[in-house]
Amino acid sequence: KAGVTQTPRYLIKTRGQQVTLSCSPISGHRSVSWYQQTPGQGLQFLFEYFSETQRNKGNFPGRFSGRQFSNSRSEMNVSTLELGDSALYLCASSLLGESSGNTIYFGEGSWLTVV
Amino acid sequence: DQQVKQNSPSLSVQEGRISILNCDYTNSMFDYFLWYKKYPAEGPTFLISISSIKDKNEDGRFTVFLNKSAKHLSLHIVPSQPGDSAVYFCAANAGTGGFKTIFGAGTRLFVKA
Repeated sequence: KAGVTQTPRYLIKTRGQQVTLSCSPISGHRSVSWYQQTPGQGLQFLFEYFSETQRNKGNFPGRFSGRQFSNSRSEMNVSTLELGDSALYLCASSLLGESSGNTIYFGEGSWLTVV
Repeated sequence: DQQVKQNSPSLSVQEGRISILNCDYTNSMFDYFLWYKKYPAEGPTFLISISSIKDKNEDGRFTVFLNKSAKHLSLHIVPSQPGDSAVYFCAANAGTGGFKTIFGAGTRLFVKA
């Protein structure tokens, strides 16, 4: 069974540009979450989608957005990139729609460098 | 507001000995707890979890203990192996948590051969 797949794995963008990251969840998983990890920081929650609906959002500016498609694949977009957006962006999927007892499984991540 | 805290940024252990990684939480609504392992340049890998109705869960060399009254959980690795050297994240979620899993800052484990 294929795991969570994220593309691209590595990318370099210039300040002010925008970027779109893609995530394909484990087959059958309908919940997709996005996290940001910066050096020395833990995993900061960005947002979570289930059945194409955003159910929760973390404390990130509106430049960070996402969506989920009917096949559960998800994308996240960051507009007007800043140097501080350089990070590892992780996508995770889970089978259950509920939060409790919910194990999420991560992809390899997308490394974004903003120069 | 850090709801999940891992106060030890790093831990060094001799091969063959026990590694104990600690985690504290503040939100009493959390009812499911997880540990993940992360190598550099890779995504976190799920290790083990525990429901709040239990106080211990074991899987091979890994055991997680939960003390609800103290809002504390720990991960024991016995015996520790050099391949266990990684960053370990504690995480928690709740039925009323708004569909998000909250992570601690991580503890870097070094297992010396």
